[in-house]
Amino acid sequence: GAVVSQHPSWVICKSGTSVKIECRSLDFQATTMFWYRQFPKQSLMLMATSNEGSKATYEQGVEKDKFLINHASLTLSTLTVTSAHPEDSSFYICSACAGTGGAYEQYFGPGTRLTVT
Amino acid sequence: SQQGEEDPQALSIQEGENATMNCSYKTSINNLQWYRQNSGRGLVHLILIRSNEREKHSGRLRVTLDTSKKSSSLLITASRAADTASYFCATARNTGFQKLVFGTGTRLLVSP
Repeated sequence: GAVVSQHPSWVICKSGTSVKIECRSLDFQATTMFWYRQFPKQSLMLMATSNEGSKATYEQGVEKDKFLINHASLTLSTLTVTSAHPEDSSFYICSACAGTGGAYEQYFGPGTRLTVT
Repeated sequence: SQQGEEDPQALSIQEGENATMNCSYKTSINNLQWYRQNSGRGLVHLILIRSNEREKHSGRLRVTLDTSKKSSSLLITASRAADTASYFCATARNTGFQKLVFGTGTRLLVSP
């Protein structure tokens, strides 16, 4: 149980185009999902918190107009990188929260590697 | 930056040896978690230790937490080549749905 999927697993796009990445919780409902980005050989940096039915909360320094997040249902959150540029090339990972009371465990998706040419 | 730090950044050992990774963080926490990441993959949750706990075991993993020093360690005993991966600590300040702050990670290489 507690499986999170991401689609696509990798994508190459040209500068100026937009890319949508999907994050799904397959066997549980997740009212909260998180989006992270990871540069090569570096750690994960939280980009935003995605809440079902409400606007996402972005971390300081993350452009909300560039990284559009939609949490349309209890099992799906999407991240759209708008007008992508080469510096947006990165590994994007989502996580979904499951649990009741106390500490919650986050389940991570397998990641999406974005390359912008 | 609130990001935690881990050391060593890289660790290379032989199969059968023990591997110890350390994590330091900056703020008060509710819990600290350790994750493993194989190259180019997502993260796998290994173990969670709460702020009122000092030590926790899970199989070949042993985690300690010293809140006075704001540090934690992960010990992998009798390592295997399959343990080769990057290991990250992550801290959560609150209960409930938590924002995690990840450490810089330790890249572990276990040679047969």
